[in-house]
Amino acid sequence: QKEVEQDPGPLSVPEGAIVSLNCTYSNSAFQYFMWYRQYSRKGPELLMYTYSSGNKEDGRFTAQVDKSSKYISLFIRDSQPSDSATYLCAMSPWGNNRLAFGKGNQVVVIP
Amino acid sequence: EPEVTQTPSHQVTQMGQEVILRCVPISNHLYFYWYRQILGQKVEFLVSFYNNEISEKSEIFDDQFSVERPDGSNFTLKIRSTKLEDSAMYFCASIPGQGAKFGEDTQYFGPGTRLTVL
Repeated sequence: QKEVEQDPGPLSVPEGAIVSLNCTYSNSAFQYFMWYRQYSRKGPELLMYTYSSGNKEDGRFTAQVDKSSKYISLFIRDSQPSDSATYLCAMSPWGNNRLAFGKGNQVVVIP
Repeated sequence: EPEVTQTPSHQVTQMGQEVILRCVPISNHLYFYWYRQILGQKVEFLVSFYNNEISEKSEIFDDQFSVERPDGSNFTLKIRSTKLEDSAMYFCASIPGQGAKFGEDTQYFGPGTRLTVL
């Protein structure tokens, strides 16, 4: 089983829709969970950062972690064309450990 | 806002040549990382560096690779004899380390160097 799995299928949504992304993982040692946004040929940019299980909200973005199911999610409400990017999940056991990434979801928000 | 910088943005080299990719991490950061992303694939961890030594490396980081912090600001990745399969985006990242507030102790990435091996 791969360490982090993220269904890489592209996602096209109309402006204003809710975008739902998720990742599963196999390593129960992971405690830090992140979502990065990456524009074409650019570096990953940190979007959301959570520790252990629970929800975190930041503006239009909500990150959820369910450690019992080894499942994390990112929701984008009221999606905007500027949200069009690739979204990567990443996780690590400790804050200064290597990050294990998912493959990324390309999201296109259509005006 | 402080940011990680990387040079060059694009490097083209012939197979078998040595390349050095350069990074300037955020100034008060203590942990440094290199990752690579082959086109269409995951971002993969290569190596982490702390206190002037490698703290962790992946199976990708073989004897062809080395890292160095030659002065107080630069962090370099050297590939001794490049192969076609080394063609990728290479990202440098850094974190503050000890004493960082929660939410700040996560990895900040540079814009990447695109390495093309011909």
